Amino acid sequence: DVKVTQSSRYLVKRTGEKVFLECVQDMDHENMFWYRQDPGLGLRLIYFSYDVKMKEKGDIPEGYSVSREKKERFSLILESASTNQTSMYLCASKKLPSYEQYFGPGTRLTVT
Amino acid sequence: GEDVEQSLFLSVREGDSSVINCTYTDSSSTYLYWYKQEPGAGLQLLTYIFSNMDMKQDQRLTVLLNKKDKHLSLRIADTQTGDSAIYFCAESGPNQAGTALIFGKGTTLSVSS
Repeated sequence: DVKVTQSSRYLVKRTGEKVFLECVQDMDHENMFWYRQDPGLGLRLIYFSYDVKMKEKGDIPEGYSVSREKKERFSLILESASTNQTSMYLCASKKLPSYEQYFGPGTRLTVT
Repeated sequence: GEDVEQSLFLSVREGDSSVINCTYTDSSSTYLYWYKQEPGAGLQLLTYIFSNMDMKQDQRLTVLLNKKDKHLSLRIADTQTGDSAIYFCAESGPNQAGTALIFGKGTTLSVSS
């Protein structure tokens, strides 16, 4: 079974802090994705990565950056957390040439 | 542009059938997906359909695809309280396997006993 894990289920941070959200997959998937999920807005793509050291902006990259130094790990970084980044963050991965994405359990981030 | 539309809420009684509808805009999408999200959890793939199919059945789930109208539906037979969740429709978009799926906003299914 594919397993996608995220470092925390719940996280509380203060405004202005630098925040790291980690995602790890154990199935040698090339592609990895970060989404945020907000009520009434569904899933919005923040960034995705084709492969190691490769990244592409999604629909809402402002205020975020990413890092993919190893194939199994994709990190989402909030350089200076703001209250409007309070959300559920979902990581996903997939193997080429499939379209099917496998999701982690999500990290609920609260910025106060 | 690409957009996937779903109604936001559906309420049914236990034992009834549920039908969740979705419309998409990209006719070149190769695959269309239904994902389920239970409270506090990530998304789980329920089923998918290839764009050259009209129907796919998998136990209690039936997926119908009308390519002409760009309409996708998910029917859940004999709906149970455990089916209460958010259901997301997603399309693969243009034929680029390296890109992200395009998700609808999700339909919250509430099943009452």
